[in-house]
Amino acid sequence: GAGVSQSPSNKVTEKGKDVELRCDPISGHTALYWYRQSLGQGLEFLIYFQGNSAPDKSGLPSDRFSAERTGGSVSTLTIQRTQQEDSAVYLCASSQKTVSYEQYFGPGTRLTVT
Amino acid sequence: AQSVTQLGSHVSVSEGALVLLRCNYSSSVPPYLFWYVQYPNQGLQLLLKYTSAATLVKGINGFEAEFKKSETSFHLTKPSAHMSDAAEYFCAVSDNTDKLIFGTGTRLQVFP
Repeated sequence: GAGVSQSPSNKVTEKGKDVELRCDPISGHTALYWYRQSLGQGLEFLIYFQGNSAPDKSGLPSDRFSAERTGGSVSTLTIQRTQQEDSAVYLCASSQKTVSYEQYFGPGTRLTVT
Repeated sequence: AQSVTQLGSHVSVSEGALVLLRCNYSSSVPPYLFWYVQYPNQGLQLLLKYTSAATLVKGINGFEAEFKKSETSFHLTKPSAHMSDAAEYFCAVSDNTDKLIFGTGTRLQVFP
């Protein structure tokens, strides 16, 4: 079946602009996660959704970052007033809520802030 | 708090040689442990997972890992390396909070 998809695959933006990154999880997966992968910080958790609610937002680095999920499916990560340090690969993952907590990852969106 | 340490940011082996990638974890509760592989410009693919059912876990592509509670380790091994195994490998831990805490990764190079 179809895996996790993310769009765009690459995004180049100017410092100060807003960007939106999209994630389509595997159909039927109730949990959705955003992570960020950067050279200096490795793989970092950003936010977790169960259905449309976000019980854990502890990884969002600043109030410029926000995310929403609608219909228990698609999620959008928004970064306002982008900074150069926001440049990274943003990875989305989804899982069917089971005891094994196995997460399936999308290919990522590479964000470059110039 | 949970954490993962991967010893060795780079590991090089010859084709056909044993692969050993090290992972040590810290967790205040019985952990769920995972190994993921990332090929260039791709997302993460699950290799194997430990969820307390068995201490020796077999995964895809001939990889396996052994959970050793006394050593707080979950090292990844493969008896015979293939050129196609060249990639970056991440160990991760999750408690029942759902998020994954990743190690810093180990880049595996395989030489002919």
